[in-house]
Amino acid sequence: GQNIDQPTEMTATEGAIVQINCTYQTSGFNGLFWYQQHAGEAPTFLSYNVLDGLEEKGRFSSFLSRSKGYSYLLLKELQMKDSASYLCAVRDHENTGKLIFGQGTTLQVKP
Amino acid sequence: DGGITQSPKYLFRKEGQNVTLSCEQNLNHDAMYWYRQDPGQGLRLIYYSQIVNDFQKGDIAEGYSVSREKKESFPLTVTSAQKNPTAFYLCASSAGGETDTQYFGPGTRLTVL
Repeated sequence: GQNIDQPTEMTATEGAIVQINCTYQTSGFNGLFWYQQHAGEAPTFLSYNVLDGLEEKGRFSSFLSRSKGYSYLLLKELQMKDSASYLCAVRDHENTGKLIFGQGTTLQVKP
Repeated sequence: DGGITQSPKYLFRKEGQNVTLSCEQNLNHDAMYWYRQDPGQGLRLIYYSQIVNDFQKGDIAEGYSVSREKKESFPLTVTSAQKNPTAFYLCASSAGGETDTQYFGPGTRLTVL
């Protein structure tokens, strides 16, 4: 079956670093995406990993280990505006753009 | 200004009525998608279309229908056969290529009374 797991909720302090984990079991793998979604709004694209390793983009970094079926999103220098849900999604087939989404991790950043 | 538009943002309907949600994109993307989002659940794929005049069912297509007569437009009809239609509906599009990243519209929140 297809399964993507993320923690439901996390809390962190402004200025700190937080790591949001995502594990997946899918029939195939052709890329992993992270999206940010503020309440009531559309998801916005953060990062894409298809090869093992770390992709850094400003305060956000994303890591992938295909052998372990594991990814994480690292947020540095947390700001209050980073309070949102973070969605992990896997594309399981190279011939379609279909994504399988985890349930999302709601991050609350406290002062 | 390029982007994806969905209208309306909020929609109320009586039980038993069909309703059509609009999705338009001017990004020249070939592929378009419809997702449903419920509280505490991930996005679930309803229908997708990789090219004009062609579309495929996603994981939860029952009670929904779509058309793709133009590249820019991918309307979704929620029929009376959908047992639990109240949800947040998101439309997305992608250009294909190596990453084939999906970009989302602002969403329509449908409430069936």
